[in-house]
Amino acid sequence: GAVVSQHPSRVICKSGTSVKIECRSLDFQATTMFWYRQFPKQSLMLMATSNEGSKATYEQGVEKDKFLINHASLTLSTLTVTSAHPEDSSFYICSARAVSGGLPDGELFFGEGSRLTVL
Amino acid sequence: AQSVTQLGSHVSVSEGALVLLRCNYSSSVPPYLFWYVQYPNQGLQLLLKYTTGATLVKGINGFEAEFKKSETSFHLTKPSAHMSDAAEYFCAVSDRYGGSQGNLIFGKGTKLSVKP
Repeated sequence: GAVVSQHPSRVICKSGTSVKIECRSLDFQATTMFWYRQFPKQSLMLMATSNEGSKATYEQGVEKDKFLINHASLTLSTLTVTSAHPEDSSFYICSARAVSGGLPDGELFFGEGSRLTVL
Repeated sequence: AQSVTQLGSHVSVSEGALVLLRCNYSSSVPPYLFWYVQYPNQGLQLLLKYTTGATLVKGINGFEAEFKKSETSFHLTKPSAHMSDAAEYFCAVSDRYGGSQGNLIFGKGTKLSVKP
């Protein structure tokens, strides 16, 4: 099956620093990737839609200058949390939409998630 | 606007017992419906989905769900629970005409515990 890999799986940083999370589709191409945030014991909230070669589309209430998204290639999207603060601590999950390679067109595949803790 | 309601944030069953996780949705158009499973500190794995056709959908790990339009429901069932089924389960809906499966609206999730 299709694999989406996130790195790092866990990261701890000091307040005020920036953290980059990578999302890679390992065996398929994804023109669109999505970033979600999940608070403890809550559901996933879509943060932004990342399109290869263009600017990300952010959901209402998500600060685009704080959560920088770059979709540099058909297999890689990055989320950078800039000047992180404790309230940014959360579980961040990416997903990628398959567009080729014999996979069901349009099906979403999720990464393993990245747990960010800001001290 | 679409929404998903999962009744029961926590369901506990005995091993071998029936699993029933409830999901109701609201949508102005016929939706795509999904069930995902999440194990601790992991991403989401698709269990099954309904798009068109047969309303009873079979998924992985012995799970199935039935789309009932009249009840706006998509309940997830498994005849016999296994210890490995213990996880968080999310129901999600997508606007059929939205064009983007990424616009998933998730329910709040139901944590399934399986007792030996």
